[in-house]
Amino acid sequence: DAKTTQPPSMDCAEGRAANLPCNHSTISGNEYVYWYRQIHSQGPQYIIHGLKNNETNEMASLIITEDRKSSTLILPHATLRDTAVYYCIAYNAGNMLTFGGGTRLMVKP
Amino acid sequence: DTGVSQNPRHKITKRGQNVTFRCDPISEHNRLYWYRQTLGQGPEFLTYFQNEAQLEKSRLLSDRFSAERPKGSFSTLEIQRTEQGDSAMYLCASSLVGTGGFGFSPLHFGNGTRLTVT
Repeated sequence: DAKTTQPPSMDCAEGRAANLPCNHSTISGNEYVYWYRQIHSQGPQYIIHGLKNNETNEMASLIITEDRKSSTLILPHATLRDTAVYYCIAYNAGNMLTFGGGTRLMVKP
Repeated sequence: DTGVSQNPRHKITKRGQNVTFRCDPISEHNRLYWYRQTLGQGPEFLTYFQNEAQLEKSRLLSDRFSAERPKGSFSTLEIQRTEQGDSAMYLCASSLVGTGGFGFSPLHFGNGTRLTVT
């Protein structure tokens, strides 16, 4: 799986949009961009994934650049419960889901 | 969909003892994965099954670690002769993969078993 690079930590004010960046410059054509988050003492939770088109679901939006070398996860109205470690992973089903260090997002009141 | 269930949630054991953890995946999922997570790190892949077949086990940390999924449903992870370095969160996940590896669902994780070896 392609290596991804994320900032180790970010802060966001409650109610504002949280924009979490991820670089995956070596991603291959058959790898999807997956985002998971892990709230303290829980298992990772799937958020969203995409191949090359932007995606939106009830949790978040995923914006993937045209060259697919980077992406941004957007939480449109962050709440305190969104405080978690967010993992960006380049993945295809033929390989294993490999986690890096992620971004620790702190949502502040 | 009741989610992935792991038991026990916490286990404290003395060094040298054997421990076994259980994972019940989402019922229609054919793949089951085991991960380990130490403090401050992302989850680390250990092994996975497709139905009852263990397709990858080279990442198991030592020969003290073994996993089974005898009927293609629940799975167990056993650690023999535990060491203090085995203290970690052990996570199970499941997914559905179509024929030929095409068409797959995201991995869904349980909340893990936290092992403390004293």
